[in-house]
Amino acid sequence: KQEVTQIPAALSVPEGENLVLNCSFTDSAIYNLQWFRQDPGKGLTSLLLIQSSQREQTSGRLNASLDKSSGRSTLYIAASQPGDSATYLCAVGDNFNKFYFGSGTKLNVKP
Amino acid sequence: NAGVTQTPKFRVLKTGQSMTLLCAQDMNHEYMYWYRQDPGMGLRLIHYSVGEGTTAKGEVPDGYNVSRLKKQNFLLGLESAAPSQTSVYFCASSHNFVDTQYFGPGTRLTVL
Repeated sequence: KQEVTQIPAALSVPEGENLVLNCSFTDSAIYNLQWFRQDPGKGLTSLLLIQSSQREQTSGRLNASLDKSSGRSTLYIAASQPGDSATYLCAVGDNFNKFYFGSGTKLNVKP
Repeated sequence: NAGVTQTPKFRVLKTGQSMTLLCAQDMNHEYMYWYRQDPGMGLRLIHYSVGEGTTAKGEVPDGYNVSRLKKQNFLLGLESAAPSQTSVYFCASSHNFVDTQYFGPGTRLTVL
């Protein structure tokens, strides 16, 4: 069974810092990996989707990388802003149409 | 274009009662999913569907049933609610498995 771990569980940084969120998974036979953002009391919003054949994806200040062989993905946020404060979740898709989520990293960006 | 909507937003049940959660999407997506989110545990897949008339079990299917009679709707049923089913339930849809998932706002269910 796929296990997805996100470290740290919580992170507090001053505005303007560059930061990295980590996601690790136990089974490297994945189909894709997605990073989501969740605001309190809200649903999830997709940030980046990486297919298993890709190494990274970029959108604005966000960059996600994928290393299947080591079972790791990172989400890099450049020049963080208070509006980036949210919980960030990664989800791994297997070859059977199922997704497995990590428990998330709660990010607080202080003005 | 409403995206993914969920009905109801909140519900309180007594142990043993039944209810149905409705998920609707207007993006003509083939794939639909039901998840539950519990504190500190992330989201877990309950059931999913890869097209109208199809359903399949996810990671935690026990105690739930689903139906996909129409492409735009995915229903999640609890036949006999238990306190362990207290959770926030999210529905999601996607064009296919390699595409982005779009999530609804969630349903907060409390079983007393």
